[in-house]
Amino acid sequence: EAQVTQNPRYLITVTGKKLTVTCSQNMNHEYMSWYRQDPGLGLRQIYYSMNVEVTDKGDVPEGYKVSRKEKRNFPLILESPSPNQTSLYFCATSGDRAGESDTQYFGPGTRLTVL
Amino acid sequence: AQKITQTQPGMFVQEKEAVTLDCTYDTSDPSYGLFWYKQPSSGEMIFLIYQGSYDQQNATEGRYSLNFQKARKSANLVISASQLGDSAMYFCAMREGLSSGSARQLTFGSGTQLTVLP
Repeated sequence: EAQVTQNPRYLITVTGKKLTVTCSQNMNHEYMSWYRQDPGLGLRQIYYSMNVEVTDKGDVPEGYKVSRKEKRNFPLILESPSPNQTSLYFCATSGDRAGESDTQYFGPGTRLTVL
Repeated sequence: AQKITQTQPGMFVQEKEAVTLDCTYDTSDPSYGLFWYKQPSSGEMIFLIYQGSYDQQNATEGRYSLNFQKARKSANLVISASQLGDSAMYFCAMREGLSSGSARQLTFGSGTQLTVLP
């Protein structure tokens, strides 16, 4: 079954305590990305990756890091979380044929609260 | 300027009736794609329908159809025969630069909360 998994699904943490949200896909997709969702703002892209070892900033990259050492995994790292990073986070992946109607598959979401 | 505008924060529809959710977009790229996603209260994002800028016909997927008016830059979602399970948040999204193989970033609107009444 085609899947995008995220862990953890829910996390409450405190300001400044480093955390990692993992994302894994079994569809052999090259493209992966992270979004955050906030009320009234829709989804905004944080980072994306076109392939292994190729990552780039989206619209709201400040305060986040990513890595893409393997095709299937794309972790999101918050080195020093702050309360304004409290949000719902989605990982997404899509097929490799740029220019076609490749559907972006979203993970189930991670609800993060930073106190 | 907003790239994707959804002007209806909330909509109500009677069960079994049709409903149209509005979406306008702004781009100077001739090659782009438009998507609609559904987000139920459980939180997941479910892909519904896609329309490419060069597609001659409006996209349809079951009870979903996309009313694409290129000159007006609108891509409204039409849901026919609404069901209670259609109650959810609906997002319109756009991906630009289809022909260049560029990053497949989706730009989302702020969403429309649809409530289907029994």
